[in-house]
Amino acid sequence: DAEITQSPRHKITETGRQVTLACHQTWNHNNMFWYRQDLGHGLRLIHYSYGVQDTNKGEVSDGYSVSRSNTEDLPLTLESAASSQTSVYFCASSPSLGNGYTFGSGTRLTVV
Amino acid sequence: QKEVEQNSGPLSVPEGAIASLNCTYSDRGSQSFFWYRQYSGKSPELIMFIYSNGDKEDGRFTAQLNKASQYVSLLIRDSQPSDSATYLCAVTGTGNQFYFGTGTSLTVIP
Repeated sequence: DAEITQSPRHKITETGRQVTLACHQTWNHNNMFWYRQDLGHGLRLIHYSYGVQDTNKGEVSDGYSVSRSNTEDLPLTLESAASSQTSVYFCASSPSLGNGYTFGSGTRLTVV
Repeated sequence: QKEVEQNSGPLSVPEGAIASLNCTYSDRGSQSFFWYRQYSGKSPELIMFIYSNGDKEDGRFTAQLNKASQYVSLLIRDSQPSDSATYLCAVTGTGNQFYFGTGTSLTVIP
């Protein structure tokens, strides 16, 4: 069955380290998204991509980057982790915006 | 002004009752509207979508859309304890993005 997977499920890292969160989908969806979810803020868009080599900034993109070298993967990199980036991160994909998203199971990141 | 507003709750209803969840949005150009359910510690799951004014029914769930009032709602009939979750409203904007509300926490009391 097609799916969207995120790894790792949990990660603890130190301030200043570079961290990469993986997202892999097997639906062949062009649209992929990264969100963070924090109490009181809901889901906030970090970066998104509408196809290979296409990447765009969301509302909370500072300190994060993505690259899209193939259809299946959209890794999220925290260039220098900060405590404010402690959060739950969700990756999502969609064939088109009218169809809604399917979310991955999430990565809980703690920066100490 | 937030693009999507939801009452954060918590909303409590007895088992078997109708739960009513509400959402307002600010972008008049929004075309597609979604409801997601999120259990604690889990990822959001799409349960309903609606594009046109009026009601859309799927089992115990009914989505209602009023574009003139910029209002979308979700009714859950015959509420069950398994419906206890946070419900997220999502709206597509003219910028070709999704905007999520902060969610309404629903508790169904047995």
